[in-house]
Amino acid sequence: AQSVTQLGSHVSVSEGALVLLRCNYSSSVPPYLFWYVQYPNQGLQLLLKYTSAATLVKGINGFEAEFKKSETSFHLTKPSAHMSDAAEYFCAVTGNSGYSTLTFGKGTMLLVSP
Amino acid sequence: EAGVAQSPRYKIIEKRQSVAFWCNPISGHATLYWYQQILGQGPKLLIQFQNNGVVDDSQLPKDRFSAERLKGVDSTLKIQPAKLEDSAVYLCASSLVGQGSTEQYFGPGTRLTVT
Repeated sequence: AQSVTQLGSHVSVSEGALVLLRCNYSSSVPPYLFWYVQYPNQGLQLLLKYTSAATLVKGINGFEAEFKKSETSFHLTKPSAHMSDAAEYFCAVTGNSGYSTLTFGKGTMLLVSP
Repeated sequence: EAGVAQSPRYKIIEKRQSVAFWCNPISGHATLYWYQQILGQGPKLLIQFQNNGVVDDSQLPKDRFSAERLKGVDSTLKIQPAKLEDSAVYLCASSLVGQGSTEQYFGPGTRLTVT
């Protein structure tokens, strides 16, 4: 069984500031981990994914995340926030075998102020 | 490349009525998923198809929800009868295969309001 905990339902940053969205996971098998972004009235779009290769994963729009097994974490970061980054972000986990289902966290809304 | 198509985008019904949602996945994608996203929560998988067979429907409320994927292409999700707690966004996604590392591509969703 897998589960995801995203700390903070809302995160507010100023434009140009560091973005840090936290994700901790629980999995009984080696996990695959994902970050998705959802803009208003749209479906989810994949930002990046960890599939047991490099622990530091780079994604689209300048985002990256680091897999830390010892901390069971997969936090999402971006050095400098842009107004267009305002959206809801979801962390998700699945097992690394067979038809494992994707389990999502509750999401974190990122608010970016000028 | 066309994305995942869903219709309708919005639907308002009264409780105890029935409703159906349609999804057309990306061409060539063998795996199709239906998710329920309640306001303030992450998407929850309802059912997963591999071609036209069901891989996982463990979280589908089978007394009122049903889904089919005839011919292994597009899919329909039905709710009959609807309850107030079914108000949510219903997301369809597809992927080339159903393995865990495969990226899922999401449609825009259907927002259902049950009054």
